[in-house]
This record gives sequence, C-alpha cells and structure tokens, in this order.
Amino acid sequence: QVRLVESGGGVVQPGRSLSLACSASGFIFRGSGMNWVRQAPGKGLEWVASFSHDGSKIYYADSVKGRFTISRDSYRNTFYLQMSSLRSEDTAVYFCGKMSSPIHTTPDSWGQGTLVTVSS
Amino acid sequence: DVQMSQFPSSLSASVGDRVTITCRASQGITNYVAWFQQKPGEAPRSLIYAASNFQSGVPSRFRGSASGTNFSLTISSLQPEDFATYYCQQYYSYPHTFGPGTKVDIK
Repeated sequence: QVRLVESGGGVVQPGRSLSLACSASGFIFRGSGMNWVRQAPGKGLEWVASFSHDGSKIYYADSVKGRFTISRDSYRNTFYLQMSSLRSEDTAVYFCGKMSSPIHTTPDSWGQGTLVTVSS
Repeated sequence: DVQMSQFPSSLSASVGDRVTITCRASQGITNYVAWFQQKPGEAPRSLIYAASNFQSGVPSRFRGSASGTNFSLTISSLQPEDFATYYCQQYYSYPHTFGPGTKVDIK
C-alpha cells in the first residue's frame, strides 16, 4: 500500500534553511505528483506547494514563494521541500500528500508529518 | 484566489445522528472539491474527491454532494470514530485553498 514518510523537521533559527524529505513507496513514483501542506499549532490546513505528475508544473503559496523549493528525486523515490529564509510563521507540522491523479491533484494519501519550529 | 467558507465551525452530535457540513466556494469551481478528516495529533485522512467520489477504504456512511458553488459532506449515521475535524479543499485552481474546518464533537 501507499506509504509516505516525512523527515527533516526540527528547530531552526529565523533566517536559516531546512530541507524536508518525503520518502514514498507502494505506488508508481514517476507517474505521481505531490503536495506539501502545513498546519501551524492549533490552526487549520494550509496548502504550501505542488509538483505535477510529470514535473512540468510547480506551484507555491504566495506565503512561501521565492523561499521554498519543491523537487523530486525519482532514483530515491523521494520528494523534497527546501525551505530558506525561514520565519516564525513557518512554524508548523508539514505533511506530504500524494496526488490522486494528474487530473485530481488533491491528496489521496498522506505522510505522518514532520514538525518545523522556527525560533531563536 | 478561490475562498472556501465552511459552516458550521463546530457542532455537537450523538452517535447515530445524521450530520451535514457545508462549504461554499467564492466562485465556480465545477466539482473540484475534496473532503478530509483529521483527528488530534494525526495526519489528515482523505475521504472524498471530485465532490462525491470516495477515496479508497472510506465507509459508505460518508457522502459528498454539490449544488452550484455549495458542497456538502454528510455522515448518515455518526460513529464514535467519526468525532474529528473536517476540512474541505478546492483544487480547481492554485492556490489550493482549504476551508477553516468543522469540529464534530460528542454531545
């Protein structure tokens, strides 16, 4: 079955960088797109970024555009979210969510999440 | 950007009750709406996509429907494991916005 495992979270100072990984198994990786969604403490879900199934389309929320980069390593079956110039408002649990299909780009499966805390 | 309003923000219900949660999109989004369930400390669980299609393994007591820019999730007979927060999401256009959530708790 589909398994997504996030890693890379931790405590980081404002202005620094951090890279999250989403390791995937149980499905055809090369034909799948991925979303990153975050949830600040006590808050709702916020879409962060998406990588289309063929890699031709990448989208970012305005709040992270220019600071975050989503990428895919098909040899390692892993998606990444590289985060730079981190701010306190980036503090959240970050989830990766596999797209249901190339048309229905909403998640059908989720990882367990990794916590990022931006604090001095 | 498409805004998703969601109501009620919370509700109290009993096991066996029929519960309906509604989201309204700020513009036409055809049927590109998904519903998610989330319990405290857990990842979201995908329930519905394309307004009314089940994700794998979702019980049939969950039903999604659409009417214009209004989208509803109905739980026909609430079970103990259904007490959670529910979110809608539009994926018609980027950014893929979520509704603010509806917390369903025990009466």
